Amino acid sequence: AQSVAQPEDQVNVAEGNPLTVKCTYSVSGNPYLFWYVQYPNRGLQFLLKYITGDNLVKGSYGFEAEFNKSQTSFHLKKPSALVSDSALYFCAVRVSGGSYIPTFGRGTSLIVHP
Amino acid sequence: DVKVTQSSRYLVKRTGEKVFLECVQDMDHENMFWYRQDPGLGLRLIYFSYDVKMKEKGDIPEGYSVSREKKERFSLILESASTNQTSMYLCASSSEGYQPQHFGDGTRLSIL
Repeated sequence: AQSVAQPEDQVNVAEGNPLTVKCTYSVSGNPYLFWYVQYPNRGLQFLLKYITGDNLVKGSYGFEAEFNKSQTSFHLKKPSALVSDSALYFCAVRVSGGSYIPTFGRGTSLIVHP
Repeated sequence: DVKVTQSSRYLVKRTGEKVFLECVQDMDHENMFWYRQDPGLGLRLIYFSYDVKMKEKGDIPEGYSVSREKKERFSLILESASTNQTSMYLCASSSEGYQPQHFGDGTRLSIL
């Protein structure tokens, strides 16, 4: 079985401040982890993934995420938030060697205030 | 870049109608997915296809069916539309292995 939790429905941050969007996961085996972003009335866009190797993964638009195996977490981060980062963010997991069907979190709405 | 195209961005239909939502991808992906997205509920998988003519039920298949006659096209069918099927529908595709999914822009469907 696999599951994902995004504990915050909404995150508020001021422009220029660092941001973190949290994600924890549970899988039986090694995880493949993904972050996606969704802007209003659009589909999801892929941001970054962790498959293996370095725990710090860099992705699009200056975002990065840190894989922490002991805490089963994959938090999304950015050093300096922009108003244009305001969107809905989804974390997803699937188990290596398992089904091709990923499990998504419920999403976190990021609001960056000017 | 992979492109996943959904035939309509907005659609309004009436209760009891048979509704077809079409999705086409241009990267020869084996896997295709249909999700519905509702506020507070995230993405819920309706159906999944891993090859032509092959399909698997997702978490909420009731009231829906799918068709995949060609590799690039995956259709979602609402056999008899009901108001509780008003939602945003998202199509996605992926290749095998550890690659991410690629999503279309969605169809916002209203059933009146």
